[in-house]
Amino acid sequence: GENVEQHPSTLSVQEGDSAVIKCTYSDSASNYFPWYKQELGKRPQLIIDIRSNVGEKKDQRIAVTLNKTAKHFSLHITETQPEDSAVYFCAATGSARQLTFGSGTQLTVLP
Amino acid sequence: KAGVTQTPRYLIKTRGQQVTLSCSPISGHRSVSWYQQTPGQGLQFLFEYFSETQRNKGNFPGRFSGRQFSNSRSEMNVSTLELGDSALYLCASSLERGITEAFFGQGTRLTVV
Repeated sequence: GENVEQHPSTLSVQEGDSAVIKCTYSDSASNYFPWYKQELGKRPQLIIDIRSNVGEKKDQRIAVTLNKTAKHFSLHITETQPEDSAVYFCAATGSARQLTFGSGTQLTVLP
Repeated sequence: KAGVTQTPRYLIKTRGQQVTLSCSPISGHRSVSWYQQTPGQGLQFLFEYFSETQRNKGNFPGRFSGRQFSNSRSEMNVSTLELGDSALYLCASSLERGITEAFFGQGTRLTVV
């Protein structure tokens, strides 16, 4: 089945700096790659997703890039703000059509 | 429209007991997946149901089971509870299997004592 690895597990940045979280996947048939944000005590919520026919997608300060050849995808957050502090999960859907999540990255934005 | 609803929100059970958790998906969503979340372990996939059939199953012992009803509501059951089963159990519903946004419920916090 699909295996998703996510790095780093923790990330601290200064407010205003950029943050990058990277994930790799194993199933070459994977075609859907969402990113979820989970604030403390809340449910995970989708912040951005990308499909295998697109290399990059942006939404204001958030962008995701996908490299199908290398089987990795990344989340980029620019001009970070304190409210960006949360756990971020990447995920991928493989041939079994099951959404498999990475282990999460705790992002802390320092004021 | 109403979101994904999980009941109960909190549960305290004793080792050896069994428990049933419920998940009502967003109206029109036929895919329901269950995840176990523990500190440092991320979101561990339990199983997925679509049109009342289990489509995928994660790496959990047979004590963990589930089902889905004709109205897409889903239940998961854990028998012979162990201390290590203490976790937040999340369900997520989606319109299509694996390729559209998964909407999560608030979760059920299970504590086994």
